[in-house]
Amino acid sequence: NAGVTQTPKFQVLKTGQSMTLQCAQDMNHEYMSWYRQDPGMGLRLIHYSVGAGITDQGEVPNGYNVSRSTTEDFPLRLLSAAPSQTSVYFCASRQANPLYGYTFGSGTRLTVV
Amino acid sequence: QQQVKQSPQSLIVQKGGISIINCAYENTAFDYFPWYQQFPGKGPALLIAIRPDVSEKKEGRFTISFNKSAKQFSLHIMDSQPGDSATYFCAAINTGTASKLTFGTGTRLQVTL
Repeated sequence: NAGVTQTPKFQVLKTGQSMTLQCAQDMNHEYMSWYRQDPGMGLRLIHYSVGAGITDQGEVPNGYNVSRSTTEDFPLRLLSAAPSQTSVYFCASRQANPLYGYTFGSGTRLTVV
Repeated sequence: QQQVKQSPQSLIVQKGGISIINCAYENTAFDYFPWYQQFPGKGPALLIAIRPDVSEKKEGRFTISFNKSAKQFSLHIMDSQPGDSATYFCAAINTGTASKLTFGTGTRLQVTL
């Protein structure tokens, strides 16, 4: 099925551990982005990419790294997990015309203990 | 600071009633205003969207009203149904600069029988 695939769906980390959240899309979308969703705060942009090899920071980038080596994949790396990074993470992509809307993955629920 | 303010945080409406969710923005560079619907365990999905040169847009039971001078817009759900129970996010985009989505804080809607 075409869309945005996120793995894993659930993850528990200990403080200080590192991990990578995977995101892949098969719609040939140039634009991809990562959001975190926290109660009462909506979705906040972490990092985004307008094409392979190009990334930029969003609203809440601290503690996260990204890279975009292919059009399809946009992994999010937590280098040293902190309890404040406990959240639900969503990857989204869109085609060149933003008026067609964003396609979101089903999310990764991350708990840092 | 929250660039897009959304209210109420939660809403309970009886079946057949009208659900109204309000949003306000500050950045006059925003030029596209989508609404996203999110069911538990899923990512947000585009519901309806409007440009500021239009005062109202209707799709089925869903209507966006837009007041450019007041920098406010709202979502009306007519004849609300239990299947409409979800979290609704307003959002704003500046299509001139990477078209990043800026979300409101969300409204959890419950439609009772």
